Amino acid sequence: AQSVAQPEDQVNVAEGNPLTVKCTYSVSGNPYLFWYVQYPNRGLQFLLKYITGDNLVKGSYGFEAEFNKSQTSFHLKKPSALVSDSALYFCAVRDIGGSQGNLIFGKGTKLSVKP
Amino acid sequence: NAGVTQTPKFQVLKTGQSMTLQCAQDMNHEYMSWYRQDPGMGLRLIHYSVGAGITDQGEVPNGYNVSRSTTEDFPLRLLSAAPSQTSVYFCASRWGVETEAFFGQGTRLTVV
Repeated sequence: AQSVAQPEDQVNVAEGNPLTVKCTYSVSGNPYLFWYVQYPNRGLQFLLKYITGDNLVKGSYGFEAEFNKSQTSFHLKKPSALVSDSALYFCAVRDIGGSQGNLIFGKGTKLSVKP
Repeated sequence: NAGVTQTPKFQVLKTGQSMTLQCAQDMNHEYMSWYRQDPGMGLRLIHYSVGAGITDQGEVPNGYNVSRSTTEDFPLRLLSAAPSQTSVYFCASRWGVETEAFFGQGTRLTVV
């Protein structure tokens, strides 16, 4: 069965510092990986995805993610955090074999950026 | 372009009542799905559809029904509400396997 793990419930970062939100996955076959962000009382917004190609994927709002096949990881990164980046972040993998490509989500990581 | 629209945004139900959560998309996406979000559990798939007239169950389908009579609409029906169905519900749509899903703003449902 395919799955996604986000090992940290919360990540605290000072504004201006680099941030990393971790994600590991377990899939059979090639993974299709996604990151979404959720601001309070809002829906999920797409940040970036990895389907194939370069291991470093660039996305919205200055975020990027590094796909590492040997470590089965897809960590989200940003060189310099902003207070406005504070939100709930979800990693997800596409369920190719099971539910016709629907997303399987991690439990989410709350990012808190302090001034 | 409205994207994915969900109504209502908030709802309080009494145990045993039924209701329908509406979801509409204007992007001509074939794939639509319903998720529920509970604290510490991420989003879990309830039901999904790969096109008009075709639906299937996800991870947590019990107590919910769906139908897909048009490409645009994918309503979720709660047959007899239970407190365990208190949650935030999200509808999503997408083009295909390699494309991202677009989410609605969510419906916060409380069952008392």
